Amino acid sequence: QQQVKQSPQSLIVQKGGISIINCAYENTAFDYFPWYQQFPGKGPALLIAIRPDVSEKKEGRFTISFNKSAKQFSLHIMDSQPGDSATYFCAADHTGGFKTIFGAGTRLFVKA
Amino acid sequence: NAGVTQTPKFQVLKTGQSMTLQCAQDMNHEYMSWYRQDPGMGLRLIHYSVGAGITDQGEVPNGYNVSRSTTEDFPLRLLSAAPSQTSVYFCASSALRGDYGYTFGSGTRLTVV
Repeated sequence: QQQVKQSPQSLIVQKGGISIINCAYENTAFDYFPWYQQFPGKGPALLIAIRPDVSEKKEGRFTISFNKSAKQFSLHIMDSQPGDSATYFCAADHTGGFKTIFGAGTRLFVKA
Repeated sequence: NAGVTQTPKFQVLKTGQSMTLQCAQDMNHEYMSWYRQDPGMGLRLIHYSVGAGITDQGEVPNGYNVSRSTTEDFPLRLLSAAPSQTSVYFCASSALRGDYGYTFGSGTRLTVV
């Protein structure tokens, strides 16, 4: 299976709260899991990425948690800000695959 | 440093017309690809290339054609536009080594009537 399933479709979080977006995959050959952030009218931009040799990666307020046995990974946005309001895509690929598969996206709205 | 440049930003076509979406990158990236974005479906890969003269199909290649004559350019051709091709099209590029996250262009919004 090549799908990457992403949830929720949309998310509303209060300023200062934690935003959590979840993704699940089937293909055990995947070994690269990036997250992209997209603002309206713009192209997606790489936010953070993880490989399965680690269970967590943190960059500033953004953290990826990875569970290899469950074939799941998630994005946590700590201290969410109105400027974080955007659409977030999880994705998966395998080294040399050249065919990154994207989730359907999560539209995040952070209330001031 | 311009990154990935896509033209045009907006286009309206009539059914059956053909056109070329342009994509250029100035980062000397070997890998380039085209995705289409539709509501609720994420981004789906149309075609990709790992270098000049090398192209391959993605998930939804029907109705589209590509070629890669230089490292910098990767145009996408719609052979005979159909309403089902109404979408936002994104070009992306990446280095083939290291952490190969994509750099995306700003997109082309295409409407086929």
